[in-house]
Amino acid sequence: AQRVTQPEKLLSVFKGAPVELKCNYSYSGSPELFWYVQYSRQRLQLLLRHISRESIKGFTADLNKGETSFHLKKPFAQEEDSAMYYCALSGLKAAGNKLTFGGGTRVLVKP
Amino acid sequence: DAGVTQSPTHLIKTRGQQVTLRCSPISGHKSVSWYQQVLGQGPQFIFQYYEKEERGRGNFPDRFSARQFPNYSSELNVNALLLGDSALYLCASSLVSRVEQYFGPGTRLTVT
Repeated sequence: AQRVTQPEKLLSVFKGAPVELKCNYSYSGSPELFWYVQYSRQRLQLLLRHISRESIKGFTADLNKGETSFHLKKPFAQEEDSAMYYCALSGLKAAGNKLTFGGGTRVLVKP
Repeated sequence: DAGVTQSPTHLIKTRGQQVTLRCSPISGHKSVSWYQQVLGQGPQFIFQYYEKEERGRGNFPDRFSARQFPNYSSELNVNALLLGDSALYLCASSLVSRVEQYFGPGTRLTVT
């Protein structure tokens, strides 16, 4: 069974402070991990994929298979980072395979 | 490209009624998935369709059904609506060769 846990419902940080969103997963095989973001009144959009190992909008995420985690980090939070963030897992390397989402973390960046 | 489109934007139905939601994928995407997002929770997988066939189904009752058309657009049908079906219904599309999915704006269904 696939499971994704985001333990924090809300993270409140000041502008310029580091922010880390936790994501833990449960899956018996080799998963594909993603971070999706939803800004106010916008659609859910892909932020990062673990296989690309890229930095988007200053965010990075590292897959730790030993700890089954895929935490999202940004060293200096900006007000425009305020949004809802979802960690998601895809269990099979097949087109359109289902995504299992965590419950989401709301990030609020205060000025 | 307008991205994934969904219609209608909002819908209000009464318990026991039936509803049909529509989705058009990004041009070139042949796979469509449906998710239900209840307020305060992450999206939950309902169905995946690829080449007009059901490829996956989540833990939802038989009141939920879907289909995909030759142009790869899709419809989600829910019969005998319950209050608990009130949610945001999301459609996502993807390329055949890629795993990541791209989401539409959703249809907000309210059951009274």
